[in-house]
Amino acid sequence: EDQVTQSPEALRLQEGESSSLNCSYTVSGLRGLFWYRQDPGKGPEFLFTLYSAGEEKEKERLKATLTKKESFLHITAPKPEDSATYLCAVQASRDYKLSFGAGTTVTVRA
Amino acid sequence: AAGVIQSPRHLIKEKRETATLKCYPIPRHDTVYWYQQGPGQDPQFLISFYEKMQSDKGSIPDRFSAQQFSDYHSELNMSSLELGDSALYFCASSSGVTQYFGPGTRLTVL
Repeated sequence: EDQVTQSPEALRLQEGESSSLNCSYTVSGLRGLFWYRQDPGKGPEFLFTLYSAGEEKEKERLKATLTKKESFLHITAPKPEDSATYLCAVQASRDYKLSFGAGTTVTVRA
Repeated sequence: AAGVIQSPRHLIKEKRETATLKCYPIPRHDTVYWYQQGPGQDPQFLISFYEKMQSDKGSIPDRFSAQQFSDYHSELNMSSLELGDSALYFCASSSGVTQYFGPGTRLTVL
């Protein structure tokens, strides 16, 4: 069965204090790894799709990287509006359903 | 850009009642997915449809059924509601690998 483990569970940052979130995964044949941002009571907002080890993608202050066993989401010089829960999900090559990790809740203080 | 539309946004039901949740995918998306997210939990895959046919099935109770119609919208029918069915229900749509989520329906069962 596919497994996704995210760490840490929670992260409190000062504005401008860069940090990284980890997503370790076990899947039988990876089709894609996804990062989403979720605000309380709202739907997950798509951030990145990564397909193969070595791939990197960037969007504003966020950068996602992928290895054969884990993915990192780097937040550079975060702002309070980056506060959210960040979800990692994997999609196996045998189907299209997403298996999610428990998420990392990031709080950025001004 | 058009997003996934879900209705209703909030629903309150009594135990043993039935509920119908609706999902309107992003235009030209042919695949719809349903997920359930309990309080403090990550989204769990329920069921998906591709071109109006069921494509994958997850941990969906037998009391639940779903279908995708000719206009690609989807409905999740839930019968004999239980207290434990209280959750956020998300619909996502895709035309390829990446899934885009709707705002969700918050179901409360009293």
